[in-house]
Amino acid sequence: EADIYQTPRYLVIGTGKKITLECSQTMGHDKMYWYQQDPGMELHLIHYSYGVNSTEKGDLSSESTVSRIRTEHFPLTLESARPSHTSQYLCASSEPRGTSGNTIYFGEGSWLTVV
Amino acid sequence: DAKTTQPTSMDCAEGRAANLPCNHSTISGNEYVYWYRQIHSQGPQYIIHGLKNNETNEMASLIITEDRKSSTLILPHATLRDTAVYYCIAENAGGTSYGKLTFGQGTILTVHP
Repeated sequence: EADIYQTPRYLVIGTGKKITLECSQTMGHDKMYWYQQDPGMELHLIHYSYGVNSTEKGDLSSESTVSRIRTEHFPLTLESARPSHTSQYLCASSEPRGTSGNTIYFGEGSWLTVV
Repeated sequence: DAKTTQPTSMDCAEGRAANLPCNHSTISGNEYVYWYRQIHSQGPQYIIHGLKNNETNEMASLIITEDRKSSTLILPHATLRDTAVYYCIAENAGGTSYGKLTFGQGTILTVHP
């Protein structure tokens, strides 16, 4: 079982509010990721990090920002939420590649609704 | 990452084996084949992965053809809880895509009583 946690699981917030989705993992993984997924649609990578002080934009443009000050934490922030940000946000981390590929472990997701 | 092609949906009777195919005809020599599944409203769950050889774990078996252009995920005794979207992913071992997964539409597997 993966030890990666996301809070909150569900959030309803008003337009214009600032929100931070928390993600933490206790596996000591260097690489962490944020994916966005609308209901019934594909997952899209929006941010990733190779380690502390490393953050990169993913394949899908996002108005959110991320930070990586500590290995175990990878929070995602929306400075001013809009209804178009309504979605599920999934955090993930991966173990070192080694000789067996790169297995990614996901959290249970944070459902964000902006009204 | 190599493009993968999967059927949109499949059905399986409970207790029977579920065989989920995946085509990855453009896979390169250093790309692994990964399988994940996503049960409704949850995060994807890792199932199994392989490079060349067939693999088996407590969840499933992965059969990769000799030319590596296709693979099959086998759930030996499907249960109702195996109903999910199953993703087949071919991941590049290096370069800028290192460590990132590109999820497609996947196969919706429905297990019937």
